[in-house]
Parts: sequence; C-alpha cells; structure tokens
Amino acid sequence: KAGVTQTPRYLIKTRGQQVTLSCSPISGHRSVSWYQQTPGQGLQFLFEYFSETQRNKGNFPGRFSGRQFSNSRSEMNVSTLELGDSALYLCASSLLTQPDTQYFGPGTRLTVL
Amino acid sequence: GENVEQHPSTLSVQEGDSAVIKCTYSDSASNYFPWYKQELGKGPQLIIDIRSNVGEKKDQRIAVTLNKTAKHFSLHITETQPEDSAVYFCAASLGNTPLVFGKGTRLSVIA
Repeated sequence: KAGVTQTPRYLIKTRGQQVTLSCSPISGHRSVSWYQQTPGQGLQFLFEYFSETQRNKGNFPGRFSGRQFSNSRSEMNVSTLELGDSALYLCASSLLTQPDTQYFGPGTRLTVL
Repeated sequence: GENVEQHPSTLSVQEGDSAVIKCTYSDSASNYFPWYKQELGKGPQLIIDIRSNVGEKKDQRIAVTLNKTAKHFSLHITETQPEDSAVYFCAASLGNTPLVFGKGTRLSVIA
C-alpha cells in the first residue's frame, strides 16, 4: 500500500507571497492532519480534517488554512508568507477508527526569503 | 493542555549497547503514546505505540514501557545498530485530540 505523499517536496517563496501544499493520504485513510516542524519549536499541530470538515485546529494565525476534498486529499495554504514560516510541513493520515495512529508523509520543505 | 517533556536531547551509544529515551506527560487523561523515528530528509516513521491499558509492548529490538501513575513512558532499543541512528520523538494524545510531541532525541550509534 502506498504511503502518504506530499507535493511539492521543496518550495522557495518570498515574503508576502502565498503557497499551497498538497497531501494524498494512505488509501482508505479519511483523516488528515498537518504539522509544522522547525528546529526551535519542534513538531506543532496545525489542523486536522475528517470527511472534509476541520475537526481540530492548532494555535496558528488565520494565515494558515486548509481543506479536504471528497477523495480525502488535503491542501494547506499559507498567505502573506513571513520569514518565520520557513519550516518542514508534514501531513499525516489515519483511519477513522484510530485517528491517533498517524502515518506521516515525507514533508514539504518551505523556505521563505 | 498536554505537555510532553523528552530526555535526553542527544544520546550516543556504542553499537550493540542499549539505548533508553524517556518522556513525561502532564495530562493524566492521555491514553495513547506513540514513538516516531525520523531520518534525515524523511518524515517521522511510527515505530511502536502503546495505549494506557497496557504497561509494556515489545517489537523485536524495541520496547516501550508506560507508568501511568508517574505519567512517564520510555523507549528501549537493544542491540543497537548504526541504522538506528536518527531523531526519535515521543508523543501523547487523548485519543481524538491531536498528538503532542516531545522535542526529540538525536541518537547516534557508534560503530
């Protein structure tokens, strides 16, 4: 079974721009969570989607948003990029019956210049 | 909310020795405790997990123990090999709530 895939793997943007990252979960997984990983803050939860609905949201500004499609694929968007948004963005998927057992993708490395 | 502390931040062991990483959590209602291994350039990989109704779980060379009274859990790796070198993260969850991660432990296995 294929794992979680994320595109693109690497992205370079400049301050003020916006970016959209994509995540395809493991087949059969309908819950998708997003995390931001930085050396200073570690892994921090952004949001979780289940059946196209946001179920949980972390403590991030409104510039960070996401959505989930009917095929469980998910996207996250960051608007008005800041230098501090440079990070590895990780997507994880899980089964509805075990939402806490999460499997991560390889991540998208975002660099903001 | 939940807070997870992880120690040590770095750990070096000789090949063949054992490695132990410890985590403490703050919310006594947490009931799920996974461990992840992250290699350079990759996403975290789930290597073992334990739920609060179990005290210990083993999978070949790795084991996890949970002490609910003391609110801490540990990862044990025996007979370490160079390919065990990576960053290891513990996490805790109340089930339907997001995972809260420790800051990670960089394990180096010296051949």
